[in-house]
Amino acid sequence: SAVISQKPSRDICQRGTSLTIQCQVDSQVTMMFWYRQQPGQSLTLIATANQGSEATYESGFVIDKFPISRPNLTFSTLTVSNMSPEDSSIYLCSAEPQGHEQFFGPGTRLTVL
Amino acid sequence: AQKITQTQPGMFVQEKEAVTLDCTYDTSDQSYGLFWYKQPSSGEMIFLIYQGSYDEQNATEGRYSLNFQKARKSANLVISASQLGDSAMYFCAMREGRPYNQGGKLIFGQGTELSVKP
Repeated sequence: SAVISQKPSRDICQRGTSLTIQCQVDSQVTMMFWYRQQPGQSLTLIATANQGSEATYESGFVIDKFPISRPNLTFSTLTVSNMSPEDSSIYLCSAEPQGHEQFFGPGTRLTVL
Repeated sequence: AQKITQTQPGMFVQEKEAVTLDCTYDTSDQSYGLFWYKQPSSGEMIFLIYQGSYDEQNATEGRYSLNFQKARKSANLVISASQLGDSAMYFCAMREGRPYNQGGKLIFGQGTELSVKP
């Protein structure tokens, strides 16, 4: 299995501000994934982050709103920009260190007031 | 179109009994992977079990087994000997579009909330 950590674990933010979420994997991985889980909903993929290239965004998600960095093979950040209450969600990162199991970080609970 | 369907929003099971959580999927790919995750109230996603489309035997991990019926496109999770700590949301997910043993995005079902009664 893999150990994936995220920071912060939770935050309460004011509308119009930005929050950067960090994700660290304990081994090198090619791809990292960022998901959003709105209250009472399932998980939806925001984007896939490959080291050394721009992230690939899913329909409905744009780079200006959710910029992603992937500076090396163990680390990625997701920024939620110009936040509104609709951005209140759990944000989760995931990776597949080896084989086919995809492991998730503990998530970041974001509340936007 | 819904790719992953979990038709049971909520389920109850008596402690120590077995329970089956349903999952059906839709894909035209020959290579795909099916996953089950547990999400307790803390919000973390805990990987439970994986089944590849070419795997001939049903996957098992401890008390968890995946009843894979390829022709019916179903991948039901069976939890044997339920425990109080099994109370959580359970998500079925699929990965398609790549060889199933390589990385790729997951598509999730809407989840089933399981409550285990003492």
